[in-house]
Amino acid sequence: QSALTQPASVSGSPGQSITISCTGTSGDVGGYNYVSWYQHHPGKAPKLMIYEVSYRPSGVSNRFSGSKSGNTASLTISGLQAEDEADYYCSSYTSISTLVFGGGTKLTVL
Amino acid sequence: QVQLVESGGGVVQPGGSLRLSCAASGFTFSSYGMHWVRQAPGKGLEWLAFIWYTGTNEYYADSVKGRFTISRDNSKNTLYLQMNSLRVEDTAVFYCAKDRGGSTMRGSEIWGQGTMVTVSS
Repeated sequence: QSALTQPASVSGSPGQSITISCTGTSGDVGGYNYVSWYQHHPGKAPKLMIYEVSYRPSGVSNRFSGSKSGNTASLTISGLQAEDEADYYCSSYTSISTLVFGGGTKLTVL
Repeated sequence: QVQLVESGGGVVQPGGSLRLSCAASGFTFSSYGMHWVRQAPGKGLEWLAFIWYTGTNEYYADSVKGRFTISRDNSKNTLYLQMNSLRVEDTAVFYCAKDRGGSTMRGSEIWGQGTMVTVSS
């Protein structure tokens, strides 16, 4: 199972909005609404930010939103803050009953 | 509080075996599916395995199928990962994670802090 495709890095200034894409196939992202997004600060446990494409867990800021179109899912962070600087990973359930992660995107807040 | 604590990591020689444990607390462990995920040094997250809340079904990534076995003891609120035939490329931080579902992979809201496994001669 190939990893989902994410940009290696994105950046933005405080207050701006950024979007991270996550491209898969009809066998994963395009075929199921089980796409999740995780925030990962080095040395810490990953944190679930979005599940089932667009749902936010309790306690996650509404500045984080998720969507999907075809085989590509997206995470948008609005009102960028310094604390948002981290690595972000998407994941998707697949047609062969496995889970696949994206390669990760490093977000830099300028 | 809701918590997952991994243990069992360490240094092992290539070809060796290791068993990781993940102790759960603060939630009804027997109601949720559980994952193992790893991160090799300088690399991204890699999903390894998932087990149903009942323990009756297991799923594996190709990279570990036939070498690693996920299991759980719901009476002890503990998840396990038996790792055999370890390779240098298995060196990573290993995380256990609780899924939102019992038998589907809906997203993991609780993660442990990770345990380091180093495979080296």
